[in-house]
Amino acid sequence: AQSVTQLDSQVPVFEEAPVELRCNYSSSVSVYLFWYVQYPNQGLQLLLKYLSGSTLVESINGFEAEFNKSQTSFHLRKPSVHISDTAEYFCAVSVGTSYGKLTFGQGTILTVHP
Amino acid sequence: DAGVTQSPTHLIKTRGQHVTLRCSPISGHKSVSWYQQVLGQGPQFIFQYYEKEERGRGNFPDRFSARQFPNYSSELNVNALLLGDSALYLCASSPLVRASYNEQFFGPGTRLTVL
Repeated sequence: AQSVTQLDSQVPVFEEAPVELRCNYSSSVSVYLFWYVQYPNQGLQLLLKYLSGSTLVESINGFEAEFNKSQTSFHLRKPSVHISDTAEYFCAVSVGTSYGKLTFGQGTILTVHP
Repeated sequence: DAGVTQSPTHLIKTRGQHVTLRCSPISGHKSVSWYQQVLGQGPQFIFQYYEKEERGRGNFPDRFSARQFPNYSSELNVNALLLGDSALYLCASSPLVRASYNEQFFGPGTRLTVL
């Protein structure tokens, strides 16, 4: 079975500062990796995903994540955050045999202060 | 295009009652998955349905059941409600059965409170 650990439950930062949200996973087979964002009172939205190929993946709003197989990590980064990035972020994994099952981490609440 | 819709938005029940939650996937999506998100935790997988067949089941008791209809909408049923069933229930749809590598599109959820 696979598992996901998000190392920080809350990350406060100031606007325009860089941020890193950490995610480690455990799996005995190859995985697909995802970051989802959840704004208050809303469902989850896909931020970015790693399926194969380049280990660095980017989103349209400036976030990026790097798949590190040796460290079993998929940390999310943004060089300069905005107030609007305040939300809860979830790292998730799935495996090829699992059909629709996503295994999520506990979530990291990112709060961007002015 | 309409996204994934769920009804009701909020629901309050008492222990021992039964509840039915509903989900309509994005048009053209044939796969529907259900997740339970307890406050302060990440979503936990409950079920996946594709073409009206159960394709995956998480570690939930038999009190939880689901079905998918010919129009690909889905219902999640929970019997004999417990206080611990209080959570946000999320529905996600995807166009393919092998949704593991495809994006799943989530609805806004149904907030269930059990008193």
